[in-house]
Amino acid sequence: DAGITQSPRHKVTETGTPVTLRCHQTENHRYMYWYRQDPGHGLRLIHYSYGVKDTDKGEVSDGYSVSRSKTEDFLLTLESATSSQTSVYFCAISTGTGSTDTQYFGPGTRLTVL
Amino acid sequence: AQSVTQPDIHITVSEGASLELRCNYSYGATPYLFWYVQSPGQGLQLLLKYFSGDTLVQGIKGFEAEFKRSQSSFNLRKPSVHWSDAAEYFCAVGGGNAGNMLTFGGGTRLMVKP
Repeated sequence: DAGITQSPRHKVTETGTPVTLRCHQTENHRYMYWYRQDPGHGLRLIHYSYGVKDTDKGEVSDGYSVSRSKTEDFLLTLESATSSQTSVYFCAISTGTGSTDTQYFGPGTRLTVL
Repeated sequence: AQSVTQPDIHITVSEGASLELRCNYSYGATPYLFWYVQSPGQGLQLLLKYFSGDTLVQGIKGFEAEFKRSQSSFNLRKPSVHWSDAAEYFCAVGGGNAGNMLTFGGGTRLMVKP
């Protein structure tokens, strides 16, 4: 258990509304990640952070933004949700500081956009 | 670009039988390889990882995996499957890149017959 929580765990929203998902960690790891999981695609990286206010894009970043104002919190925002963003979203942290780090995952948030 | 292929979307084995899940990767540098397991409605749990050294790595729950550079493979094995092993399994490759980003395969869903 890497001390990762995600909120909310489930959310149903309507097309065009803004949505923010929160990832919270208790162990002050530098790297944090947001992935989405869709059938047949495994997990795909949306954005990641390598420190407070330091973020970068992943493979599927269009339509998403992130913020990290504190080490422990990493927020994912859908500015105007679309049905294609219906998915399960996972947050992860990476232990250590080198390239041999291991990622550990939170429990996930199931988002449905109607 | 890095990629991971898990050729088998579904596999069904009898309880007590042996198991091998296939994973093939494409990566430009020395790969760091991971296997994760996901039970229904849960997050991803790390089974094992390979960074360097002995090409046969042992993981939790009696799983092992063998790195074969010549075949670009990292197959997961278990000598005797238990009903509780029914889950989805994901292979991932990463390491050596900025942000320690992982690329995941599409997953293999394992069903266990009594």
